[in-house]
Amino acid sequence: DAGVIQSPRHEVTEMGQEVTLRCKPISGHDYLFWYRQTMMRGLELLIYFNNNVPIDDSGMPEDRFSAKMPNASFSTLKIQPSEPRDSAVYFCASSLLGAGGPVGETQYFGPGTRLLVL
Amino acid sequence: KQEVTQIPAALSVPEGENLVLNCSFTDSAIYNLQWFRQDPGKGLTSLLLIQSSQREQTSGRLNASLDKSSGRSTLYIAASQPGDSATYLCAVEGDSGYSTLTFGKGTMLLVSP
Repeated sequence: DAGVIQSPRHEVTEMGQEVTLRCKPISGHDYLFWYRQTMMRGLELLIYFNNNVPIDDSGMPEDRFSAKMPNASFSTLKIQPSEPRDSAVYFCASSLLGAGGPVGETQYFGPGTRLLVL
Repeated sequence: KQEVTQIPAALSVPEGENLVLNCSFTDSAIYNLQWFRQDPGKGLTSLLLIQSSQREQTSGRLNASLDKSSGRSTLYIAASQPGDSATYLCAVEGDSGYSTLTFGKGTMLLVSP
């Protein structure tokens, strides 16, 4: 498997524009996670899906952020309108199992999308 | 709310040294703790996962320990190499039934030849 795929790898946009980040999880993984990483706040969970259904979106900063997972192999994170404070690296991750399994399951991270909002 | 702290924030050592990275967490109700490695411009790669019932895990030159009751974990790297230079992040998974990881901000390690 090619691992978690994210696109674009880099995005530079102007304030007010719509930004769409894309993610393809590892085939067969039931869980998909979106994270944001900044120097100030570190790595923060934004939202996660189980079997394409959003389970916890409490980390989504505000209504300007939305995420969808129309099928098991694709997810999007959209920011509309974008603001300079949204500048960060956005990671997508997937895992096979959920919490507390007897084996313990790690998350597999994509390379991230580096977003700069001017 | 779970908080994860990593000390030190940055560390520079000469090649060959043994070193210890520290991680502490405020809520001991965890399923597991993981150590990840992040190279510049790259995603995270899981190094070691310790279940809450375990005390330590080893992989090659890496050894991670967990003291759940005191809310602490250490990552021991033996005979460090320049290729070990990266940021190391600690993450805990709570036992609330949700599959969420709470990350520390990481320790940036530089191993010089």
